[in-house]
Amino acid sequence: GENVEQHPSTLSVQEGDSAVIKCTYSDSASNYFPWYKQELGKRPQLIIDIRSNVGEKKDQRIAVTLNKTAKHFSLHITETQPEDSAVYFCAASQTGGGADGLTFGKGTHLIIQP
Amino acid sequence: DAGVIQSPRHEVTEMGQEVTLRCKPISGHNSLFWYRQTMMRGLELLIYFNNNVPIDDSGMPEDRFSAKMPNASFSTLKIQPSEPRDSAVYFCASSSGQTLRFGQGTRLTVV
Repeated sequence: GENVEQHPSTLSVQEGDSAVIKCTYSDSASNYFPWYKQELGKRPQLIIDIRSNVGEKKDQRIAVTLNKTAKHFSLHITETQPEDSAVYFCAASQTGGGADGLTFGKGTHLIIQP
Repeated sequence: DAGVIQSPRHEVTEMGQEVTLRCKPISGHNSLFWYRQTMMRGLELLIYFNNNVPIDDSGMPEDRFSAKMPNASFSTLKIQPSEPRDSAVYFCASSSGQTLRFGQGTRLTVV
C-alpha cells in the first residue's frame, strides 16, 4: 500500500518568515495530494490540494509543489502569521483522484514565533 | 450545510465496556470514512464505505472493532470490549469524491 513520509515533525519559524513542509510518497499511481491544517482541539481542514497533472498551485500565502518523478510534494507558507500555528498533514490518494483511500503523513507541528 | 456530525464529543468509559460512536455524513456525500488519531500513530484510516458498502476495513485494528452504515445518513463505529489502548480521537469524514470533510471528532478515554 501507499506510504507517506512527512518532514519535519516540528518546525519553528519567526513570524513573517517562510515555512516549508515536505512529503514523499511511495505509490507512483497516486495522483491526488491534499494538505490539511488542524488547529489544537479541532478537526483537520483542507487548505489546498494538487493533482498530478499540475506541478504547482498557489492560493494567497500558501503554495504546493509536486515532483512526480521524485515522488515528493511540498507545502510552502510565506509571510507566516500567528494563526498559521497548527499541525499540517499531507496525504496521498491511491486511487483515481478522489478521497478514497487517502493515506496521511504523520503531521508537522508548525510553531510561529512572535 | 451542517457539516459532518459526530456524537458524542467526549466519551469516558471503563475497560471492558462497549462503546458506540456515531456519525452523520454530509447529505449527498457517498463516501464515509472512520479515522483514529493518536500522538504516536497520527491519523489512521480504519474503514471506509462507498454508497453504504464497506470497501476497505484493513485498518480496523482487531475484531473488537466493527462499523456499520445502515443508510446514507448514519454510521456507527463500535468497540467491544474497549481497552485503554483504544483511547484516541476518532474522526468521521465524508466526501463526494474529492474534498474530505471531517467531523469534530469523538475523544474516547478508556480507563
